[in-house]
Amino acid sequence: LAKTTQPISMDSYEGQEVNITCSHNNIATNDYITWYQQFPSQGPRFIIQGYKTKVTNEVASLFIPADRKSSTLSLPRVSLSDTAVYYCLVPLYSGAGSYQLTFGKGTKLSVIP
Amino acid sequence: DTGVSQNPRHKITKRGQNVTFRCDPISEHNRLYWYRQTLGQGPEFLTYFQNEAQLEKSRLLSDRFSAERPKGSFSTLEIQRTEQGDSAMYLCASSLALGYSNTDTQYFGPGTRLTVL
Repeated sequence: LAKTTQPISMDSYEGQEVNITCSHNNIATNDYITWYQQFPSQGPRFIIQGYKTKVTNEVASLFIPADRKSSTLSLPRVSLSDTAVYYCLVPLYSGAGSYQLTFGKGTKLSVIP
Repeated sequence: DTGVSQNPRHKITKRGQNVTFRCDPISEHNRLYWYRQTLGQGPEFLTYFQNEAQLEKSRLLSDRFSAERPKGSFSTLEIQRTEQGDSAMYLCASSLALGYSNTDTQYFGPGTRLTVL
């Protein structure tokens, strides 16, 4: 059964770098891995997307190894406002030549003053 | 506000009633997705449209669930004969898909929270 795996929760002090890893099997060959941030009672918000190696934008970096069986979201110097749930979104093989977009169960990041 | 909007934001209904939710995507977006999210879980894909065509509906939870996007703009998700297990947040997302990629960047609405009594 294709699935993704993320740590359930993480704690970090303000100003530290946080790395959250998502492991996934049976990822589609040609599609991207996407990470989202979600605050309570809101829809997920796009953070970053990548296919392989490293991608960086103004808020995060994304590291994807050559085998693409995992990805690591890196948040530099977190602040209290980064307290949220972080999800990876991965297209996983679901049988009979088809792929299904699959969210991880999410990692609840708590930033401590 | 030019983001994805969903209405209503909250819906309380009695078991057995039918409910309908509406999603208005970002105007130039051609894809529209529906997800369900229960407490403590990630969003669960239900169905999606490219323009007015429903390209995947096998993940709809049962035949009580149906979705439409009649003119390729807004979409509705209907749940017939609601059950208590249908209580969840229903999320809509839209994207501008170029080609047949499965990972276009999706922009989510705020969701409709359904409570079935």
